[in-house]
Amino acid sequence: DVKVTQSSRYLVKRTGEKVFLECVQDMDHENMFWYRQDPGLGLRLIYFSYDVKMKEKGDIPEGYSVSREKKERFSLILESASTNQTSMYLCASSLWARSGNTIYFGEGSWLTVV
Amino acid sequence: DAKTTQPNSMESNEEEPVHLPCNHSTISGTDYIHWYRQLPSQGPEYVIHGLTSNVNNRMASLAIAEDRKSSTLILHRATLRDAAVYYCILRDEGFNKFYFGSGTKLNVKP
Repeated sequence: DVKVTQSSRYLVKRTGEKVFLECVQDMDHENMFWYRQDPGLGLRLIYFSYDVKMKEKGDIPEGYSVSREKKERFSLILESASTNQTSMYLCASSLWARSGNTIYFGEGSWLTVV
Repeated sequence: DAKTTQPNSMESNEEEPVHLPCNHSTISGTDYIHWYRQLPSQGPEYVIHGLTSNVNNRMASLAIAEDRKSSTLILHRATLRDAAVYYCILRDEGFNKFYFGSGTKLNVKP
């Protein structure tokens, strides 16, 4: 079975802190994604990566950056955390972007910024 | 961009079939129809997907209309563990066109 592992399930950070959310997948998938999920807004794509060191912005990249130094690992970085970034963050991976390929999600990281 | 429309919520009795509808009137010829579900406090998980023909797997069946403008996810015998939010999404070859929408919250009554 595909496994997408997010390093932290629950985090509490202070405003202005730099926050790292780590994600690892074990199926040699080319694509990796970061979404955030908020009540009433569904899942919104922040960034995705289709190869090592390659990244593209999603729908809401402002305030975030990403890093993909190894194929299996995709990190989401909040350069200076703000309270409006309190949310659940979901990492996902899939094989190369073809319409029939499915996406596999991690369990989510609940981030609270105080 | 093609998007989907689903009812906000549905209710079912345990061990009865459930038909979850989805409209996708602007679907393109290369869009696959995917269904995912999200249990409370978890990430979404894959249920089923298809292109044109009806599909069956151990979790569910997917019925796709002939014009592909709508589809129905069928849970043959709902259990309490099937209570979740079900998302119908379209995924095209461009990958980043992958919209989850707000989904249908399924409540299963014992």
